[in-house]
Amino acid sequence: EPEVTQTPSHQVTQMGQEVILRCVPISNHLYFYWYRQILGQKVEFLVSFYNNEISEKSEIFDDQFSVERPDGSNFTLKIRSTKLEDSAMYFCASVAVKSFFGQGTRLTVV
Amino acid sequence: QKEVEQNSGPLSVPEGAIASLNCTYSDRGSQSFFWYRQYSGKSPELIMFIYSNGDKEDGRFTAQLNKASQYVSLLIRDSQPSDSATYLCAVTNNFNKFYFGSGTKLNVKP
Repeated sequence: EPEVTQTPSHQVTQMGQEVILRCVPISNHLYFYWYRQILGQKVEFLVSFYNNEISEKSEIFDDQFSVERPDGSNFTLKIRSTKLEDSAMYFCASVAVKSFFGQGTRLTVV
Repeated sequence: QKEVEQNSGPLSVPEGAIASLNCTYSDRGSQSFFWYRQYSGKSPELIMFIYSNGDKEDGRFTAQLNKASQYVSLLIRDSQPSDSATYLCAVTNNFNKFYFGSGTKLNVKP
């Protein structure tokens, strides 16, 4: 079964610091996504990426967030200046016909 | 705001029974519908997707879609304790953006 791989599994960062979350999506998939899930809440769409550019982003995805696919395989989410409310699980997903989620990165902002 | 609504549960069913999970959505333009299972602390795992009105069966799982009434359901036959999890409904119209429900917690009692 193909896998989406995310690193790190857990990151603790101080408020105001920059973090980069990494994902290796399934190579022949076309759509890539970042989601977040605050503890006990629903999965929230952040951004989708198709054909090497952002196809859609949510209102959550403000100027503090950016995504890149720097080398054609890795897919990164950067948060420039983290806030306490950014603490959540961040999931990467990729879709061809089926969709696959990575294991997630638990981000804790202190 | 495009909404996906699910009863939060918990839905309790005895082992071997049929579990019925429901989801309604507000956007009539939604085209593709997904059911995920999420165990506590884990990432969502795709169970089924459905695009066309009617039923789609995969093993013990049946997805039912009624676009006119804007609902999609998931039936789990012969429920097992290992099916105990939160079930997430997600919809999209063009794969650019997915909307998730808050999930229904299913508890299958041995």
